[in-house]
Amino acid sequence: GAVVSQHPSWVICKSGTSVKIECRSLDFQATTMFWYRQFPKQSLMLMATSNEGSKATYEQGVEKDKFLINHASLTLSTLTVTSAHPEDSSFYICSASYPQTLQETQYFGPGTRLLVL
Amino acid sequence: AQSVTQPDIHITVSEGASLELRCNYSYGATPYLFWYVQSPGQGLQLLLKYFSGDTLVQGIKGFEAEFKRSQSSFNLRKPSVHWSDAAEYFCAVDDYKLSFGAGTTVTVRA
Repeated sequence: GAVVSQHPSWVICKSGTSVKIECRSLDFQATTMFWYRQFPKQSLMLMATSNEGSKATYEQGVEKDKFLINHASLTLSTLTVTSAHPEDSSFYICSASYPQTLQETQYFGPGTRLLVL
Repeated sequence: AQSVTQPDIHITVSEGASLELRCNYSYGATPYLFWYVQSPGQGLQLLLKYFSGDTLVQGIKGFEAEFKRSQSSFNLRKPSVHWSDAAEYFCAVDDYKLSFGAGTTVTVRA
């Protein structure tokens, strides 16, 4: 149980285009989903937190107009990188909170590697 | 604010040898602690977690971790590593959001 999928796993796009990444919790309903960004050889940086049916909460320094997050249902969140530029190239990972009695646990998707040319 | 320190950037261990990865946290209240593993080009897989209770936590793949409040540590151990354990390991503390350590790269030599 607690499986999270992401699609696509790889995407290459031209500078100026927009890219949408999907994150799905396959076997549970997630109260909250998170989006992270990871640069090579570095740790994960939280970009934003999204709850179903409400606006995402962005971390300081993350451009909300650049990284649009939609949490349409309890099993689906999407991240759209708008007008992508080469500096947006990165590894994007989502996670979903699996509610438990004491504390929620985040389960991570396999990641999406974005390359902007 | 909470923080997590993983003092070892890179550890090399022989296959069959024991492994210990260090993690220190800074957090005022009772911490919720996690260890995740990331294989190259992959997402993170939860190895184990500590919320409360027994301070020795068993996880998947033969890993265990011990919570020591007096030392603010949550070190990860495995008695005998396998070549497939080569990966990046992240310690994290949860205070309404996860804060990750910088990670420790584990290389396993034959």
